Amino acid sequence: GAGVSQSPSNKVTEKGKDVELRCDPISGHTALYWYRQSLGQGLEFLIYFQGNSAPDKSGLPSDRFSAERTGGSVSTLTIQRTQQEDSAVYLCASSLVGLAGYANTGELFFGEGSRLTVL
Amino acid sequence: GQQLNQSPQSMFIQEGEDVSMNCTSSSIFNTWLWYKQDPGEGPVLLIALYKAGELTSNGRLTAQFGITRKDSFLNISASIPSDVGIYFCAGLSYSGGGADGLTFGKGTHLIIQP
Repeated sequence: GAGVSQSPSNKVTEKGKDVELRCDPISGHTALYWYRQSLGQGLEFLIYFQGNSAPDKSGLPSDRFSAERTGGSVSTLTIQRTQQEDSAVYLCASSLVGLAGYANTGELFFGEGSRLTVL
Repeated sequence: GQQLNQSPQSMFIQEGEDVSMNCTSSSIFNTWLWYKQDPGEGPVLLIALYKAGELTSNGRLTAQFGITRKDSFLNISASIPSDVGIYFCAGLSYSGGGADGLTFGKGTHLIIQP
């Protein structure tokens, strides 16, 4: 597709279960970002990938959270042993930053998000 | 880390009114950006500002990059119902930090009363 694609769009899970959220960035975009947005709140930075590497993992809330990116494309955010406070919308974004000739302009293209509800 | 103070947190206005919101910081930024998030969607870039003092318009939207490089404002003229949403400012610092130097404000919720 032309835009950033995220799946699932909605996920309801029980406390203690593991969940995987997937992000398919815009083709050719080298940088990929994960943000978390709690109800009515701002954007909380989680992690950022440049290619398959994550130069900045400082935003991950705990060791229950992990993310990987393979082939410089699709990324998966995994939350282990989910807690109720993990309930939020998880947003993925991509950009061209890092590609030869493209400086970081701050222009991110966001997906529609994955809404996670932990019961 | 760098922080942005975005205000107001929410605005309740009548259709047709003008809207003004701003972001301030104690840190200098190289680029200021304004995003809008419609309900159920991801944020979309509205305006990007690259030089101190720059004033840029996009239709009914006008934004400025403050002279001190520590603030920016966004104005919306003659608001219409589709302007409803959350507006985020973002500052980009070439010295890094955060998500590759990009810091978001906490957002301004714009609600338009009929």
